[in-house]
Amino acid sequence: DTGVSQDPRHKITKRGQNVTFRCDPISEHNRLYWYRQTLGQGPEFLTYFQNEAQLEKSRLLSDRFSAERPKGSFSTLEIQRTEQGDSAMYLCASSSSQYRGEQYFGPGTRLTVT
Amino acid sequence: AQKVTQAQTEISVVEKEDVTLDCVYETRDTTYYLFWYKQPPSGELVFLIRRNSFDEQNEISGRYSWNFQKSTSSFNFTITASQVVDSAVYFCALSEAHGSSNTGKLIFGQGTTLQVKP
Repeated sequence: DTGVSQDPRHKITKRGQNVTFRCDPISEHNRLYWYRQTLGQGPEFLTYFQNEAQLEKSRLLSDRFSAERPKGSFSTLEIQRTEQGDSAMYLCASSSSQYRGEQYFGPGTRLTVT
Repeated sequence: AQKVTQAQTEISVVEKEDVTLDCVYETRDTTYYLFWYKQPPSGELVFLIRRNSFDEQNEISGRYSWNFQKSTSSFNFTITASQVVDSAVYFCALSEAHGSSNTGKLIFGQGTTLQVKP
């Protein structure tokens, strides 16, 4: 078990560009979460998948954000028309229904919008 | 609404001192989980402990101990004989029960930065 992985680790983009991040959860975990963390703050929930179904989206997830988890395995988070306010660390976590609530986090993708 | 408050923004101690990180939570749920995570300078959140709302027993794991008190809605974390490697940001978090209709999403506090000086 290699843990949760995220790619890329760092992304610098210009305002207005689209970006996509990938998360590979722990293989036997059916639950996958995306969070966003800005400097000096705790992570904030963005969205949640159980298997391939996206079951909850935060109000933070504007219509420029979209997330998918095809086949219930890896997940992607896309941000369209990036804005400077999107600069943050994007964290992915996964958990198993058998282990209630213990979410294991990946290293994150740090996005800088210039 | 659910909320987690970590009133201590930064704490600085000298190695071998004991330190307690405070966490106060708000929830209307009768069943919930509380967590502590560590975020070292490398950035990756590391799971430390989970407690459910029915279990108020204190827990000790090596130099770490946790004090859960429902009466005061607190879940405090104590590090005994702190070490330089304990320097990190520590987050307390809350989630509703992991029922079929609940997502288990985590509500985090603002975090406490702990600096342990040699």
